[in-house]
Amino acid sequence: DAKTTQPPSMDCAEGRAANLPCNHSTISGNEYVYWYRQIHSQGPQYIIHGLKNNETNEMASLIITEDRKSSTLILPHATLRDTAVYYCIVRVAVILGNTGKLIFGQGTTLQVKP
Amino acid sequence: GAVVSQHPSRVICKSGTSVKIECRSLDFQATTMFWYRQFPKQSLMLMATSNEGSKATYEQGVEKDKFLINHASLTLSTLTVTSAHPEDSSFYICSARDLERNEQFFGPGTRLTVL
Repeated sequence: DAKTTQPPSMDCAEGRAANLPCNHSTISGNEYVYWYRQIHSQGPQYIIHGLKNNETNEMASLIITEDRKSSTLILPHATLRDTAVYYCIVRVAVILGNTGKLIFGQGTTLQVKP
Repeated sequence: GAVVSQHPSRVICKSGTSVKIECRSLDFQATTMFWYRQFPKQSLMLMATSNEGSKATYEQGVEKDKFLINHASLTLSTLTVTSAHPEDSSFYICSARDLERNEQFFGPGTRLTVL
C-alpha cells in the first residue's frame, strides 16, 4: 500500500474550517484514500473515503487532486470535540481480494482552540 | 456506523499470567477482523489479521505463540496475551470489516497493564 505524509500537528480556531492535507504521491490507480480520526484513548473513527472524485458526508469533505497525489480533509466548522489525531491512509479496495488491512502512519494532531 | 465492542475495556494483571481480550461485531458479520497495538504517543501498529475459521496472519515481528488469536465465529475474535510481561502493557484495539458496507469499524480498545 502507498505511504502517506501528513504534517505532525495543526491548530484551528473553533467554528472555522479545518483543512488537513495529505500527500500520497505513490498512490496506485486502484487505491482508495481513507480518513480516520482517533480521539484520545478511544478506537479510531471512520470519517470518509474516496477514489478520485471529491466526497462529502455529514462529518467532512474530501478533496482529491486530479493527479490523486494529494488530498485534503475539510472539517467545515471545527468544534472542540474535533480535537484528535487524524490519519490519512491509502488502501486497495477490498473487493479486489486483498486483506484490506489499514496501515496507520503518524497522522496529524489537530488541536481546535476556543 | 456499525458497532464493534471489546471486553474488557481495562485489565491489570500480574506478570506471567495470560489475558484474553474479546472483540465482537454487534450488528454485522465480520469474516475478517484485525488486531492492533498502540503504545503511548505512538500510532496504531497492526499485529495480525484474523479470518473466521482459519489461522490468523501475523505481521512481521509479532510472535504468534505469544499473541494467540481465535476467530471462531462471524461475530467474535479473541486475542490472548500469553505469559504477559510489563513490556506487553499497551492499548489493544480490534477492528472488524463489514463486507456489505465495505467498511472497517474499530472497537473502543482495551488498556492492558502488566505489573
